[in-house]
Amino acid sequence: GENVEQHPSTLSVQEGDSAVIKCTYSDSASNYFPWYKQELGKRPQLIIDIRSNVGEKKDQRIAVTLNKTAKHFSLHITETQPEDSAVYFCAASKPAGANNLFFGTGTRLTVIP
Amino acid sequence: EADIYQTPRYLVIGTGKKITLECSQTMGHDKMYWYQQDPGMELHLIHYSYGVNSTEKGDLSSESTVSRIRTEHFPLTLESARPSHTSQYLCASSESGQTSYNEQFFGPGTRLTVL
Repeated sequence: GENVEQHPSTLSVQEGDSAVIKCTYSDSASNYFPWYKQELGKRPQLIIDIRSNVGEKKDQRIAVTLNKTAKHFSLHITETQPEDSAVYFCAASKPAGANNLFFGTGTRLTVIP
Repeated sequence: EADIYQTPRYLVIGTGKKITLECSQTMGHDKMYWYQQDPGMELHLIHYSYGVNSTEKGDLSSESTVSRIRTEHFPLTLESARPSHTSQYLCASSESGQTSYNEQFFGPGTRLTVL
């Protein structure tokens, strides 16, 4: 099955700086790579996703890049704010059908005011 | 509004009790999942279902059981709760079409404490 590795496990940045979280996956057939944000005491929520037919996607201060050859993808948050503090999970999946989503182990991001 | 609902949100119970955690969704999704998560930690898949009368065990062994009699309902049962079952349990759902993507939507979770 798919194996998703995520680094770092914890990340602290000063407010206004950028944060980068990296993930690798093992199954070359995976074509969907979402990122979830989980605030303290809340449910994980999708913040951005990328499909294997594109290399980069951006939504305001967050962006995701995908390198299919190297089988890795990254989340970039620019101009970080205290409300960005949360646990972030990457995930990878083959087309839906009978396939599941495989999650990374999570990154705890702390933005220091 | 389409959503995923979980009840109860919090449950404190004594060892040996039987409990059922409820999950229902109005998303119209075929696939449903149960995850076990200690606060801020990894998401461990314990059960999933691809549709009515379909249930499978996930990656993390669990003493819980599930049923899927109705598309929108996916309850999880613990026959005899133990302190080691103390955790947060998250329900999720997603589409199942071969051309769909596995975007999962999560419920608010049930925080279970077994004394």
